[in-house]
Amino acid sequence: AQSVAQPEDQVNVAEGNPLTVKCTYSVSGNPYLFWYVQYPNRGLQFLLKYITGDNLVKGSYGFEAEFNKSQTSFHLKKPSALVSDSALYFCAVRDLNTGGFKTIFGAGTRLFVKA
Amino acid sequence: GAGVSQTPSNKVTEKGKYVELRCDPISGHTALYWYRQSLGQGPEFLIYFQGTGAADDSGLPNDRFFAVRPEGSVSTLKIQRTERGDSAVYLCASSENSGTSGYEQYFGPGTRLTVT
Repeated sequence: AQSVAQPEDQVNVAEGNPLTVKCTYSVSGNPYLFWYVQYPNRGLQFLLKYITGDNLVKGSYGFEAEFNKSQTSFHLKKPSALVSDSALYFCAVRDLNTGGFKTIFGAGTRLFVKA
Repeated sequence: GAGVSQTPSNKVTEKGKYVELRCDPISGHTALYWYRQSLGQGPEFLIYFQGTGAADDSGLPNDRFFAVRPEGSVSTLKIQRTERGDSAVYLCASSENSGTSGYEQYFGPGTRLTVT
């Protein structure tokens, strides 16, 4: 069965410092991986995805993520955090080999960027 | 263009009542998803439609929950005999699900359901 783990409930970082939000996944086959962000009083927004190809994917707002198959991880990163990056971040996975489109989300990690 | 819309934004109902939640996806998106999000949790998959048919309803918690998408566009999530445990934010998302698009989902603002 598919599963996603976001081991940190909250990540605190100072503005201008690099940030990492961790995600590990479990699927029986090849994964599609996604990051979504939820700002206060706003809906979930797509940030970036890994489907195939280059393991380092770039997305919106300067975010990037690295797919690591051996470690089954897909950590979200940004070289220099902004206060406006403070939000709730969700990692999600789809298992291609099941043939379906069921998407499993992690519990979320709250990112707090301090000025 | 217009995003995914959901109505109502808030719904308060009494235990045992029937409710319907509506989702209007992005025009042209063939795939539609329903999720349930409880406080402090990630979205929990309920059901996925490809066109008019429910391709995967494995996330529906029990037979009180049912969803339809009769014309392949608007979808309605129906909950019978509501229970207090059904209180949550119900999210709808749509996507293209084509080989070129990559399957990212676009979410609506959600319907906050409160069962008293």
